Amino acid sequence: NAGVTQTPKFRILKIGQSMTLQCTQDMNHNYMYWYRQDPGMGLKLIYYSVGAGITDKGEVPNGYNVSRSTTEDFPLRLELAAPSQTSVYFCASRTGGEYEKLFFGSGTQLSVL
Amino acid sequence: DAKTTQPNSMESNEEEPVHLPCNHSTISGTDYIHWYRQLPSQGPEYVIHGLTSNVNNRMASLAIAEDRKSSTLILHRATLRDAAVYYCILSQAGTALIFGKGTTLSVSS
Repeated sequence: NAGVTQTPKFRILKIGQSMTLQCTQDMNHNYMYWYRQDPGMGLKLIYYSVGAGITDKGEVPNGYNVSRSTTEDFPLRLELAAPSQTSVYFCASRTGGEYEKLFFGSGTQLSVL
Repeated sequence: DAKTTQPNSMESNEEEPVHLPCNHSTISGTDYIHWYRQLPSQGPEYVIHGLTSNVNNRMASLAIAEDRKSSTLILHRATLRDAAVYYCILSQAGTALIFGKGTTLSVSS
């Protein structure tokens, strides 16, 4: 079982460029999440989705966009990259209901220079 | 959201038990207590969660105070592989988990 897969693992962007971070899960989970983690800090929730076609903002959504056209995929779009978006990005998923066990991907390390 | 307070860091010796504390004095009756850990250069992984009663699994035990204002994650025999950041999180059922800074656990041989 692959679990949650994130691509790419590393990326360097120039200021003002755009890119999409890919996240896919093969566990048929309804709930998916995007977090970012700055050095020495905890994770901050960017966006989340409770199912295909449904997304909502988290703690730090500015500068990002998401879409959820399928259960498996939850891409995160960065428009006009800024140095403040330099971070490690984690995607996570879980099944619905009260059982809150989150499964995380291995992360994408993004640098904006 | 109800908040948690954890020590910034703790140290342990290999093969000794470790008790990681978490204070959550503003917890509501429907808040679950979750513990995750993050090994170096990896995404967080689930450790354990509970509501009112103590919980055990193959990784750890969760001891919840009777008034639920604090909890303790217990690693029964620490190994070098247990060195990680441990996050204590409160969450209502069905809501997203909000991570704090956690406790950095160091394990010495």
